Amino acid sequence: DAGVIQSPRHEVTEMGQEVTLRCKLISGHNSLFWYRQTMMRGLELLIYFNNNVPIDDSGMPEDRFSAKMPNASFSTLKIQPSEPRDSAVYFCASKNSEGYTFGSGTRLTVV
Amino acid sequence: EDQVTQSPEALRLQEGESSSLNCSYTVSGLRGLFWYRQDPGKGPEFLFTLYSAGEEKEKERLKATLTKKESFLHITAPKPEDSATYLCAVRCSGNTGKLIFGQGTTLQVKP
Repeated sequence: DAGVIQSPRHEVTEMGQEVTLRCKLISGHNSLFWYRQTMMRGLELLIYFNNNVPIDDSGMPEDRFSAKMPNASFSTLKIQPSEPRDSAVYFCASKNSEGYTFGSGTRLTVV
Repeated sequence: EDQVTQSPEALRLQEGESSSLNCSYTVSGLRGLFWYRQDPGKGPEFLFTLYSAGEEKEKERLKATLTKKESFLHITAPKPEDSATYLCAVRCSGNTGKLIFGQGTTLQVKP
């Protein structure tokens, strides 16, 4: 079991550019969560999917953020256009009946 | 509003000096309280899940307890390798899997 795999690990981009973060779930897990972590606000839920369907996107900051889950094992989080205040560590986590497993995160820096 | 508060924000201990971390919660209905450990540059790593008041779980030097209003993570005779940020999260009734996290307690154990 390779765990939840996120890519890239680090991303530095210029303000206004599009950024795509990727997440590969653990096989057999049916729920996926995208979290954002900052020093000021801690871990905040952005969106989560259950069986590939978005259930709650109330944490998505604004229309610049979008997430997709095209199949049961993969998800993307896109920011377009990116802004410096989007700088944070973005985690995805998958869940089965046993519990939640987090990836190692993508550290995004928007300059 | 569902809320999780952890204290203290930071804790410095000498090796072997036992202590406790607190997680207070206000939720409409608890479907599980989770403790995670997070090392720098990594994602949260699962430690324990507690479901009902009076429940206790142990793992090596860590013991988690739960009441109707709070949870404690007791650390007995800590070692430097226990240094990390400890996160508490709750899953509330009425939602389908979302975890609400506290801000965390950063523990430093000095040799």
